Amino acid sequence: AQTVTQSQPEMSVQEAETVTLSCTYDTSESDYYLFWYKQPPSRQMILVIRQEAYKQQNATENRFSVNFQKAAKSFSLKISDSQLGDAAMYFCAYRSALENKLVFGAGTILRVKS
Amino acid sequence: GVTQSPTHLIKTRGQQVTLRCSSQSGHNTVSWYQQALGQGPQFIFQYYREEENGRGNFPPRFSGLQFPNDSSELNVNALELDDSALYLCASSFGTGGGFGETQYFGPGTRLLVL
Repeated sequence: AQTVTQSQPEMSVQEAETVTLSCTYDTSESDYYLFWYKQPPSRQMILVIRQEAYKQQNATENRFSVNFQKAAKSFSLKISDSQLGDAAMYFCAYRSALENKLVFGAGTILRVKS
Repeated sequence: GVTQSPTHLIKTRGQQVTLRCSSQSGHNTVSWYQQALGQGPQFIFQYYREEENGRGNFPPRFSGLQFPNDSSELNVNALELDDSALYLCASSFGTGGGFGETQYFGPGTRLLVL
């Protein structure tokens, strides 16, 4: 079974600075998808960024970018120019191309200091 | 977007509960997740074109329905204390498997079982 590990229960960043959230996963498959979701206190899970495993190029979405290392099974999220609104729980998620479910990590709480 | 009702619910052990979800317009797939406090969501099951299309490690007392009008239900019978959690639905447009389509989440229903 696939597993997703987020080793940082909590991270803090100063407003306008850069922070990187870590995620590793375990799978024997070669075709899969990886996601970062943000869950603010309002509870609604919001998609931050998506990466297809067959793509070598790292995905970027404005201030959010990933460092996808397929051989190392690592998928970190970099947030640049952090804003107060970035404060939330961040979940890394894996989806096999063979199954329909998302497998989530335990999450990382991100605090942004002004 | 994806909506869910009710936002909060309190039940007693042994009762039955129905949670509702309205998918994003045009989506044909709905997935349900259980998120215990402080943890990542766990996949319950998925419905594609009104048929169950994958199930996680949850007992049969967790059941669901998907209707042609973009709405769906999660039913839980014989409630147990451990069923207390945030229940999330996520809708997507897919092909029934292997597509890796992005899932869009609702705000969730917080269920408390006493």
